[in-house]
Amino acid sequence: GEDVEQSLFLSVREGDSSVINCTYTDSSSTYLYWYKQEPGAGLQLLTYIFSNMDMKQDQRLTVLLNKKDKHLSLRIADTQTGDSAIYFCAESPSNYQLIWGAGTKLIIKP
Amino acid sequence: DTGVSQDPRHKITKRGQNVTFRCDPISEHNRLYWYRQTLGQGPEFLTYFQNEAQLEKSRLLSDRFSAERPKGSFSTLEIQRTEQGDSAMYLCASSLILGTTPGEQYFGPGTRLTVT
Repeated sequence: GEDVEQSLFLSVREGDSSVINCTYTDSSSTYLYWYKQEPGAGLQLLTYIFSNMDMKQDQRLTVLLNKKDKHLSLRIADTQTGDSAIYFCAESPSNYQLIWGAGTKLIIKP
Repeated sequence: DTGVSQDPRHKITKRGQNVTFRCDPISEHNRLYWYRQTLGQGPEFLTYFQNEAQLEKSRLLSDRFSAERPKGSFSTLEIQRTEQGDSAMYLCASSLILGTTPGEQYFGPGTRLTVT
């Protein structure tokens, strides 16, 4: 079946890199996504990666995809307090549906 | 630039009552989605519309739930005979069909439903 798994919490020091990991099950997913959810705000698309890519970089964000192991990661360089949020990994097995992980809460320590 | 809006933001209702939520998508977006999110979980897909046509419904959407998008613009989600298990955040999202990937969806702030 379809399932996306993430660890629930990650704590990092301000200025360090954060790496949020995700595993998924549906190898037919053409795209994989990272969304950010801040308190009181709607989910916001951060970045996505096409399944035939290994890596995608966008400013402080780096997405790595290991298709063989069905493993996706999001690296945030120079983590700032404004990066505090819940980060969701999602896969797209069809042309309309997203299957979501439970989210990883990123906690920034000063 | 107006994003996706949802109304109301919060709703408290007694078990057995009916509730209706409204979503106004981004104006040029032809797809509209409804999700449900409970604490500590990711969103769960409920249904989606392409223009005014409801193209897919999740098995989570029991017959107490109905959604409409009568003119292909705003949408309503109605829950009849609410149960305590319906307490959740109901999220609406919209997207374009062409020129984007399927998951490039723009989300509203959600309607938090509490059934007492």
